[in-house]
Amino acid sequence: EAQVTQNPRYLITVTGKKLTVTCSQNMNHEYMSWYRQDPGLGLRQIYYSMNVEVTDKGDVPEGYKVSRKEKRNFPLILESPSPNQTSLYFCASSKGANTEAFFGQGTRLTVV
Amino acid sequence: AQKITQTQPGMFVQEKEAVTLDCTYDTSDPSYGLFWYKQPSSGEMIFLIYQGSYDQQNATEGRYSLNFQKARKSANLVISASQLGDSAMYFCAMRGGLANKLIFGTGTLLAVQP
Repeated sequence: EAQVTQNPRYLITVTGKKLTVTCSQNMNHEYMSWYRQDPGLGLRQIYYSMNVEVTDKGDVPEGYKVSRKEKRNFPLILESPSPNQTSLYFCASSKGANTEAFFGQGTRLTVV
Repeated sequence: AQKITQTQPGMFVQEKEAVTLDCTYDTSDPSYGLFWYKQPSSGEMIFLIYQGSYDQQNATEGRYSLNFQKARKSANLVISASQLGDSAMYFCAMRGGLANKLIFGTGTLLAVQP
């Protein structure tokens, strides 16, 4: 089954404790991205990757890091989480420019 | 800069009626794609329909159709014969530019009433 898998689905952590949210897709897609969803703001792009070893900042990259060492994986790293990073996070992948993005199930992160 | 605007924070519709969700966009790129996604209360993002900027006909997928008016830069979603299961948040999105970034509107919360 074609899918994007994020882990964990839910996470509560404390300020400053490094964490990683994993994202993996099995569709051989080149394009992957991370979004955060906050009430009233829709989904905002954090980082994206157009292929292996090619990553770039989205609209809200501060406080986040990513890596793309393999085509299928695109982890999101929060080196020192802060409460303003409490949000619902989505990973997405797509084959190309004018094709739909497939989304993971979301990770609800709470930083206290 | 690219932008998506959804001006309806929330809408009600009676079951079995049609409903139109508004979406306007702004871009200077000649080539772009427009998408609609549904997000039910469970949280997942479900792709509904796609319209390319060069497509001559409006896209349709079952009960969903996209009313694409290029000159007005609008891409409204029409849901025919609404069902209770259509109650969800709906997001309009656009992809374009050098990075083919997918940007989203703020969403419209649709409630279908029996």
